[in-house]
Amino acid sequence: DAGVIQSPRHEVTEMGQEVTLRCKPISGHDYLFWYRQTMMRGLELLIYFNNNVPIDDSGMPEDRFSAKMPNASFSTLKIQPSEPRDSAVYFCASSSGTSNQPQHFGDGTRLSIL
Amino acid sequence: AQKITQTQPGMFVQEKEAVTLDCTYDTSDPSYGLFWYKQPSSGEMIFLIYQGSYDQQNATEGRYSLNFQKARKSANLVISASQLGDSAMYFCAILPGNTPLVFGKGTRLSVIA
Repeated sequence: DAGVIQSPRHEVTEMGQEVTLRCKPISGHDYLFWYRQTMMRGLELLIYFNNNVPIDDSGMPEDRFSAKMPNASFSTLKIQPSEPRDSAVYFCASSSGTSNQPQHFGDGTRLSIL
Repeated sequence: AQKITQTQPGMFVQEKEAVTLDCTYDTSDPSYGLFWYKQPSSGEMIFLIYQGSYDQQNATEGRYSLNFQKARKSANLVISASQLGDSAMYFCAILPGNTPLVFGKGTRLSVIA
């Protein structure tokens, strides 16, 4: 079975540009999560969806960040305009949502903003 | 609020020896799941093992076992017969109910030949 698929794996762009990260969750999973990982702050939950509906976006750092889930098989995380401090690894994860089921992570997108 | 504490920023272990990575948690939810993830230097997050709060027995998955002490709110990961490929960051996480996973800050394990 295919796992969580993220694209791109690496992104290098200049400050001020729009960045779009993509995620395809595991088929049948009702929950989708976006995380950001940095050395300083560790793993931070940015936002999560249940059945394509955003449930909690309190982790989104500011209005420059937005996330959508137009259908059960696709989600995007956008940063506009991007800043150097947004450089991090961004993970997407999905799960069936019950407390005995793990979240399965994608391989992450390593984002560098110059 | 849920919280995970991993007190060991880094650990060293000799190849073929066993190692215990500590994890304590705090939650007021009576039903929860505890998870361990491995993050090698390549960056991916790999699920290792799960323990439910009502499980009577400690979870085991191959060389991984979870030393679950509910009264002490601890869920330590034991890796037996360490291998060089076990060198990685290890994260403990708690999932109470249907809320998102709460992760600890991780422990970096280095296996020495």
